[in-house]
Amino acid sequence: GENVEQHPSTLSVQEGDSAVIKCTYSDSASNYFPWYKQELGKGPQLIIDIRSNVGEKKDQRIAVTLNKTAKHFSLHITETQPEDSAVYFCAASMGAGGTSYGKLTFGQGTILTVHP
Amino acid sequence: KAGVTQTPRYLIKTRGQQVTLSCSPISGHRSVSWYQQTPGQGLQFLFEYFSETQRNKGNFPGRFSGRQFSNSRSEMNVSTLELGDSALYLCASNSGGSDTQYFGPGTRLTVL
Repeated sequence: GENVEQHPSTLSVQEGDSAVIKCTYSDSASNYFPWYKQELGKGPQLIIDIRSNVGEKKDQRIAVTLNKTAKHFSLHITETQPEDSAVYFCAASMGAGGTSYGKLTFGQGTILTVHP
Repeated sequence: KAGVTQTPRYLIKTRGQQVTLSCSPISGHRSVSWYQQTPGQGLQFLFEYFSETQRNKGNFPGRFSGRQFSNSRSEMNVSTLELGDSALYLCASNSGGSDTQYFGPGTRLTVL
């Protein structure tokens, strides 16, 4: 089955700096890669996603890049703010139309702390 | 639209008991998935339902079961609870034709 590795497990940055979180996946059939942010006491919230036919996607301060050949994808957060502090999860899926019906395989998570 | 709702939010049970958790997906969504989140194992897929049919199942023992009703609401049941079942149980809603999954706030289950 699919396996997703996520690094680093913890990341501490100063406000205004950039943060980068990296994930690798094992199954070349995966074609959908979402990123979730989870705050204390809440469920994961989708912040950005990318599909395998796209190499990069950006939404304001957040961007995701995908390298299908190397099977890795990354989350980039620029101009970090204290409210960006949370746990971030990457995930991989074969998509809703695949044989796994959109089952998400998650990385282990990254605790991001942004210091004012 | 209202988001995914899960009830109850917190639950305390003792070993050997059984528990039922409920999930109401986003209006119009027909697919519901369940995940278990623990500090040691992270987020793990339990099962997925679409139009009252289980389409996919993760690697959990048969003590974990679920069902979906005609209004797309879903329940999951855990029988003969073990200490290791203590976790946050998350429900995710999907329209059925999209890749995007939206998570609820979860039910925090503590087994004593």
